[in-house]
Amino acid sequence: SQQGEEDPQALSIQEGENATMNCSYKTSINNLQWYRQNSGRGLVHLILIRSNEREKHSGRLRVTLDTSKKSSSLLITASRAADTASYFCATDVEAYKYIFGTGTRLKVLA
Amino acid sequence: GAGVSQSPRYKVAKRGQDVALRCDPISGHVSLFWYQQALGQGPEFLTYFQNEAQLDKSGLPSDRFFAERPEGSVSTLKIQRTQQEDSAVYLCASSLSPPHMYMNTEAFFGQGTRLTVV
Repeated sequence: SQQGEEDPQALSIQEGENATMNCSYKTSINNLQWYRQNSGRGLVHLILIRSNEREKHSGRLRVTLDTSKKSSSLLITASRAADTASYFCATDVEAYKYIFGTGTRLKVLA
Repeated sequence: GAGVSQSPRYKVAKRGQDVALRCDPISGHVSLFWYQQALGQGPEFLTYFQNEAQLDKSGLPSDRFFAERPEGSVSTLKIQRTQQEDSAVYLCASSLSPPHMYMNTEAFFGQGTRLTVV
């Protein structure tokens, strides 16, 4: 299967700290999306960034995209215990087909 | 409905048994996707529908897997003669419009069906 890679695979931080996770992918893309998945639940869409964008913000989330390096990062500022979840990036290999990474498991300690 | 609904939430099947997994997308959503997520992995694409048309089934692992969306709303993923390697969470997602580079292609996911084959 073709999947992007995220690092770190797991991240544990204290509440209030910032969390940064990275995603690398293999092929050219039109869009890259970040999703959150709480244990035993479905995926929640966080943010979409297009290939002609370099940075995007949404609340405490900041996403960057570097198409020359085929990489993206997700920064969560002032983390909260409720941010504990797995985070996935997804890239479109075709207009409708998104390829997900292996995910970063974030644990925020209260 | 308020969101994408999948049923059952959990399914235990004996090896060799046939199973059917149901997805109720958000009303009016044109696009519907099925993904398979193995434990500790990211979701993997199975198939895509635009209304009732199955435009891509390249991710279906074998001919034991079959998906349909006959009226362009509810979809069913059927797995025949289940095997242990089929154990996974099966996720369904829908989006309002056909995916397009310049349009918001946010997909809304259901909570999934966890299939365990014993």
